[in-house]
Amino acid sequence: AQSVSQHNHHVILSEAASLELGCNYSYGGTVNLFWYVQYPGQHLQLLLKYFSGDPLVKGIKGFEAEFIKSKFSFNLRKPSVQWSDTAEYFCAVRGGNAGNMLTFGGGTRLMVKP
Amino acid sequence: GAGVSQTPSNKVTEKGKYVELRCDPISGHTALYWYRQSLGQGPEFLIYFQGTGAADDSGLPNDRFFAVRPEGSVSTLKIQRTERGDSAVYLCASSLGGESSYEQYFGPGTRLTVT
Repeated sequence: AQSVSQHNHHVILSEAASLELGCNYSYGGTVNLFWYVQYPGQHLQLLLKYFSGDPLVKGIKGFEAEFIKSKFSFNLRKPSVQWSDTAEYFCAVRGGNAGNMLTFGGGTRLMVKP
Repeated sequence: GAGVSQTPSNKVTEKGKYVELRCDPISGHTALYWYRQSLGQGPEFLIYFQGTGAADDSGLPNDRFFAVRPEGSVSTLKIQRTERGDSAVYLCASSLGGESSYEQYFGPGTRLTVT
């Protein structure tokens, strides 16, 4: 079965710092990769997704992620975080013999200090 | 336009009771998913509907859990003989279709507390 690991459970950064959140999945083959964000008091929203093509994916709000197939990784990056990026971030994988559902990582709680 | 809605937003019930959680997907979305999110964890898949039928129910933890979508729109997740371990946020998501190219849109969730 597919599993997704997010290595950082809590991250605290100051504004303007760079961000990188790790995500690794277990099962190879054809997969679709996603990062979702949950702002305080709000529901899950899609940040970005990878299906095929260019492994460097750009999403909303200046976020990007790089798919490295050989490392089974899909790390999320942002060059300069803002206080408004304070949220919980979830990596999710679809496919890889796991059907149409999403398999989520445990989440990373990001706090950005003003 | 309207997003995915879920009712109730909060539900407190006693151990052993029966509960129903409702999901209204985005209009026109044929695929509907239920997930469960326990405290400090990511969402876990429960069941997926394509139209009226359950295309994949492999995530349902046991036979106390059941879900229906009789008209291919609204879905109800039913939990019998609730246990304290069922306490979690139950999330519903919908998408245009079941194909992997379609984004899943999530609702706000129902927080279930079993006392």
